[in-house]
Amino acid sequence: DAGVIQSPRHEVTEMGQEVTLRCKPISGHNSLFWYRQTMMRGLELLIYFNNNVPIDDSGMPEDRFSAKMPNASFSTLKIQPSEPRDSAVYFCASSLSRGQETQYFGPGTRLLVL
Amino acid sequence: AQTVTQSQPEMSVQEAETVTLSCTYDTSENNYYLFWYKQPPSRQMILVIRQEAYKQQNATENRFSVNFQKAAKSFSLKISDSQLGDTAMYFCAFMNRQTGANNLFFGTGTRLTVIP
Repeated sequence: DAGVIQSPRHEVTEMGQEVTLRCKPISGHNSLFWYRQTMMRGLELLIYFNNNVPIDDSGMPEDRFSAKMPNASFSTLKIQPSEPRDSAVYFCASSLSRGQETQYFGPGTRLLVL
Repeated sequence: AQTVTQSQPEMSVQEAETVTLSCTYDTSENNYYLFWYKQPPSRQMILVIRQEAYKQQNATENRFSVNFQKAAKSFSLKISDSQLGDTAMYFCAFMNRQTGANNLFFGTGTRLTVIP
């Protein structure tokens, strides 16, 4: 069974450009999470969805960040415009929201903004 | 707010020996999960073990076991018969089981090196 799929695995872009990260959760999972990992702040939750509905976006840094989940098998995290301080590894994770709350992580997207 | 503390930034262990990684947490909740995740150099986050707070029995998964002390809010990970492949960052994480609040709070991690 396929795990959480993220694309791209690596992204290098220039400051001011739009960046879109993609995630496909594990089939049947109804919760999806976006995390960011940096040396300074460690692992922090950006936003999570339950049944395609955003539940908590308090971790989204600012208006430059937006996330969508148009259906149960796809989510995007967009940064527009990107800045060098957005450089990080971005993880997507999914879980069942009832009784099996363990989150399974994708391989991450390493973003470098020059 | 929940906080998770890992007080050992780095540790090392000889191959085949046993090592224990420490984790403490702070919460006013009574119903929660605790996890250990492993992050090898590939950066993939891999679940190692999970503990439900309502269970008194410590969770075990092959060479990995935990010592869960609920009153002390302590959740240590013991790795027995350490192998070179255990070299990784290890993160302790907390999840509140309250409905609608199932995000993870992570500690800062412990970098474990297994020495041949």
